[in-house]
Amino acid sequence: DAGITQSPRYKITETGRQVTLMCHQTWSHSYMFWYRQDLGHGLRLIYYSAAADITDKGEVPDGYVVSRSKTENFPLTLESATRSQTSVYFCASGRAGGGTDTQYFGPGTRLTVL
Amino acid sequence: GQQLNQSPQSMFIQEGEDVSMNCTSSSIFNTWLWYKQDPGEGPVLLIALYKAGELTSNGRLTAQFGITRKDSFLNISASIPSDVGIYFCAGLGGYQKVTFGTGTKLQVIP
Repeated sequence: DAGITQSPRYKITETGRQVTLMCHQTWSHSYMFWYRQDLGHGLRLIYYSAAADITDKGEVPDGYVVSRSKTENFPLTLESATRSQTSVYFCASGRAGGGTDTQYFGPGTRLTVL
Repeated sequence: GQQLNQSPQSMFIQEGEDVSMNCTSSSIFNTWLWYKQDPGEGPVLLIALYKAGELTSNGRLTAQFGITRKDSFLNISASIPSDVGIYFCAGLGGYQKVTFGTGTKLQVIP
């Protein structure tokens, strides 16, 4: 009954370090997404995945890497964190097609880069 | 990136009052979704709309998919303190291409 979970919920790291944010969903949704939410910018899409092993860039992909080896997991890696990547990160999952598209969001990870 | 025009930006209302907010776009969407976000939490899906003209309710919430497919409306009846939060709309084009609204911040005065 977990739905979609993210870990960690809070993370503080330093500039230049690699950080991985985890996302797990139990609905077997084909689509998964990573967004960042910043004041004044709303939700911006970083990367998305239509299925396992299929990923594509969103609006703001630079500095991020994703993978999706299993349908239920979609980790987001910041290869070398920068202060501008301080943000709240949301993972989402959804079904598409059949006229019932939806997106459900996780609880978020608040990342601070010092 | 593009954001949908959502209005009002913020509103203060008395507990028990009804609330209306809307979302407009220059583009046509196949699906409209309405979310509520509490501080420090992820957006929670409230209502999904899939057909032009569709009117859907979820408890005290009612949302409509505009006939032109370029707008959507959310109404909250008899507001209560826990309705406080940010509400935003999302329009979906084909295959999960999502555009989010700018959000409406709702404050309820007990």
